Amino acid sequence: GDSVTQMEGPVTLSEEAFLTINCTYTATGYPSLFWYVQYPGEGLQLLLKATKADDKGSNKGFEATYRKETTSFHLEKGSVQVSDSAVYFCALADNQGGKLIFGQGTELSVKP
Amino acid sequence: GAGVSQSPSNKVTEKGKDVELRCDPISGHTALYWYRQRLGQGLEFLIYFQGNSAPDKSGLPSDRFSAERTGESVSTLTIQRTQQEDSAVYLCASSLIRARNEQFFGPGTRLTVL
Repeated sequence: GDSVTQMEGPVTLSEEAFLTINCTYTATGYPSLFWYVQYPGEGLQLLLKATKADDKGSNKGFEATYRKETTSFHLEKGSVQVSDSAVYFCALADNQGGKLIFGQGTELSVKP
Repeated sequence: GAGVSQSPSNKVTEKGKDVELRCDPISGHTALYWYRQRLGQGLEFLIYFQGNSAPDKSGLPSDRFSAERTGESVSTLTIQRTQQEDSAVYLCASSLIRARNEQFFGPGTRLTVL
């Protein structure tokens, strides 16, 4: 069945460092890909998405490109801030019911 | 309402008891999803409803789990004869239509089974 594998955490970075969180997927067909973020004490919210190959999703300085050839959707940010500390989830939605299949989550901690 | 709401926010119960969790989706959202998040793990899909279609129950872990939805409004997730392994955060999400649309998540219900 469909699955998502993402980089294990926790990841600890200094402010202004470059961030990459790896995400790869296995799916039949052409799923949509998402990054969700869960800030401390808050609910899960959509960070960015891409619906077809070579699409780039971006939001709040974060970017991820849908790479069909490598079945990847890595999350990047050029300069992280303390406020980016959160748990990040990579997910895919199939084309049938649209249910989301999530990776395990990666906890990011940014130190000043 | 402004977003997806869930109640209760926390529920502590004894093993063997039944529990009901409630979800109020965003008005007008035809698709509603339930997920479970165990401690330190990703979210697992449980069930989804889309309009008047038969629900997709493929993620329900056992026949102790069931869910209902009244039209395009409130949904209730029921867990019968709770077990300790049912302890988790239960999240509800809704979206305008299924597939490629953004799902908006509620704050979750933290269930603890003693």
